[in-house]
Amino acid sequence: SQQGEEDPQALSIQEGENATMNCSYKTSINNLQWYRQNSGRGLVHLILIRSNEREKHSGRLRVTLDTSKKSSSLLITASRAADTASYFCATARNSGNTPLVFGKGTRLSVIA
Amino acid sequence: GAGVSQSPSNKVTEKGKDVELRCDPISGHTALYWYRQSLGQGLEFLIYFQGNSAPDKSGLPSDRFSAERTGGSVSTLTIQRTQQEDSAVYLCASSSYDRALRETQYFGPGTRLLVL
Repeated sequence: SQQGEEDPQALSIQEGENATMNCSYKTSINNLQWYRQNSGRGLVHLILIRSNEREKHSGRLRVTLDTSKKSSSLLITASRAADTASYFCATARNSGNTPLVFGKGTRLSVIA
Repeated sequence: GAGVSQSPSNKVTEKGKDVELRCDPISGHTALYWYRQSLGQGLEFLIYFQGNSAPDKSGLPSDRFSAERTGGSVSTLTIQRTQQEDSAVYLCASSSYDRALRETQYFGPGTRLLVL
């Protein structure tokens, strides 16, 4: 069964605007990761945040984690048309090599 | 420096037939994962291999599903007596045992399976 849910399920914004996607999960975790998927095929790892971290940045990406609420958010600043994709959060119960539990994803459309 | 590759890219089969899906992980990656993504859904974990250890099969949906990993490299996912509900994209991922990298999974492009 899926760990949790992302919201919104779909998001449409204008180029240059910021996009915020949220993820909730159900069990304790070691880390939470965000992945991007283009055209329903392979996923690309974007960023990882550990359970003892609250915020992390990578380029135009900002991830927050609130373990008390079992939730995370991904912010993409100054969005571009090329950011159009599906974004998934995934949780890992343990450190190291371990299967991930994915949410259902947010479909982001950035309109030029 | 090739990434994870999967074959075939697309597979159309008739209900009741067996199919084999192949995954070539990144060279040197000790961990290999299979996931399934049904239309409009997130990824569902199927099976996980780590080195020479016994695989974690806890995600396999039925005994019609099985997987092997030969020589610690290539993996084959086999679905016997396929059903229409098996239609999905099957994604393979691998990860390194390197302490700094092992939590990042690298995904292949997937095999899109359609069972008629």
